[in-house]
Amino acid sequence: QKEVEQNSGPLSVPEGAIASLNCTYSDRGSQSFFWYRQYSGKSPELIMFIYSNGDKEDGRFTAQLNKASQYVSLLIRDSQPSDSATYLCAVKDSGYALNFGKGTSLLVTP
Amino acid sequence: EAGVVQSPRYKIIEKKQPVAFWCNPISGHNTLYWYRQNLGQGPELLIRYENEEAVDDSQLPKDRFSAERLKGVDSTLKIQPAELGDSAVYLCASSEGRSEAFFGQGTRLTVV
Repeated sequence: QKEVEQNSGPLSVPEGAIASLNCTYSDRGSQSFFWYRQYSGKSPELIMFIYSNGDKEDGRFTAQLNKASQYVSLLIRDSQPSDSATYLCAVKDSGYALNFGKGTSLLVTP
Repeated sequence: EAGVVQSPRYKIIEKKQPVAFWCNPISGHNTLYWYRQNLGQGPELLIRYENEEAVDDSQLPKDRFSAERLKGVDSTLKIQPAELGDSAVYLCASSEGRSEAFFGQGTRLTVV
């Protein structure tokens, strides 16, 4: 079983701060990396994807990938209370199997 | 363009009864996933289809769960008979190649 590991949290940050979410994966052949946001009672919603080593920025979100360390992270700048949700890390291997971590709960306090 | 469509949204059944869930993926998406998500956990893969072929069903409890994807488009997941521990949200997702997967709204199953 290919593992995707995340700290379950909760991670609590004040409004306006940077939230840093981390994820490690076990399969070195993994090709695609995704971050999903899931509000309580809702289905996962894609917020970022990254395929190559380095950083990828989209608005307040930055995804970082380090394949050598098998590590992917998500930074949320200027965190807002509306960012409070569970963030799921997902990894797709060369055969397109998509495995998820258990998610990190983020709480942004006003 | 329509997203992934699932039905029903909610289902309450008594234990030992059968239940079925339906999913229509995004048009053109060859890969279809069924996941089960328990409260406070990440989605757990049950089965993955590439077109009409089930290519990964190692986590599907085959004694009571079955799935099909006729003509490589929509899919049905069945549980017979249901057990109390099957209560969860059942999510369907679709994707193309190595790209992102999109989820339907899910079916919340309660077995009483």
